[in-house]
Amino acid sequence: AQSVTQLGSHVSVSEGALVLLRCNYSSSVPPYLFWYVQYPNQGLQLLLKYTSAATLVKGINGFEAEFKKSETSFHLTKPSAHMSDAAEYFCAGRIRSNDYKLSFGAGTTVTVRA
Amino acid sequence: GAVVSQHPSRVICKSGTSVKIECRSLDFQATTMFWYRQFPKKSLMLMATSNEGSKATYEQGVEKDKFLINHASLTLSTLTVTSAHPEDSSFYICSATSPGLAAYEQYFGPGTRLTVT
Repeated sequence: AQSVTQLGSHVSVSEGALVLLRCNYSSSVPPYLFWYVQYPNQGLQLLLKYTSAATLVKGINGFEAEFKKSETSFHLTKPSAHMSDAAEYFCAGRIRSNDYKLSFGAGTTVTVRA
Repeated sequence: GAVVSQHPSRVICKSGTSVKIECRSLDFQATTMFWYRQFPKKSLMLMATSNEGSKATYEQGVEKDKFLINHASLTLSTLTVTSAHPEDSSFYICSATSPGLAAYEQYFGPGTRLTVT
């Protein structure tokens, strides 16, 4: 089955350090991929999306992600973590072009140390 | 970006009663809406896909008679939890999309916290 996998359920970084969240997808065709952020008791906010236009995607709040077909990966990075980046992050993919449903990863909790 | 609202944000109901949750797309016409359930510290579980004017498509294992979904207009979908029980307590999130949105991107509502006592 087509799926999205997030490696690491919890990431702890120091303020100012690099944030790296890993996401891999399983698909025989280039998918549509998304990264969402969720703050406690809130819905999901889109950080960025890959739609095959460019492999390096820049999003909001200083986040970016690179689509690597050879590695079937779409890792999320931010050069310098801020305290406000503490949240839950979900990678999601629409694997089939004619199916609007999203497959979500299990999520990664990010904590930022002062 | 497109805005999706949910109402209520929180609801407490007694076991055996029914509760309705509304999901509205405020500034676009949503041909398709999705209903998710999220358990604490867990990812989103898709419950059903709702297309305007047609019956919802439920995911395997989701009781369609318990979770009634109606998508009567292009801006409103409702989820009714019938005869709610404590195990139905959860965070319910809706999302909406449309062919007019890039990559059929889903916009998410803020969620509804349901507590069944």
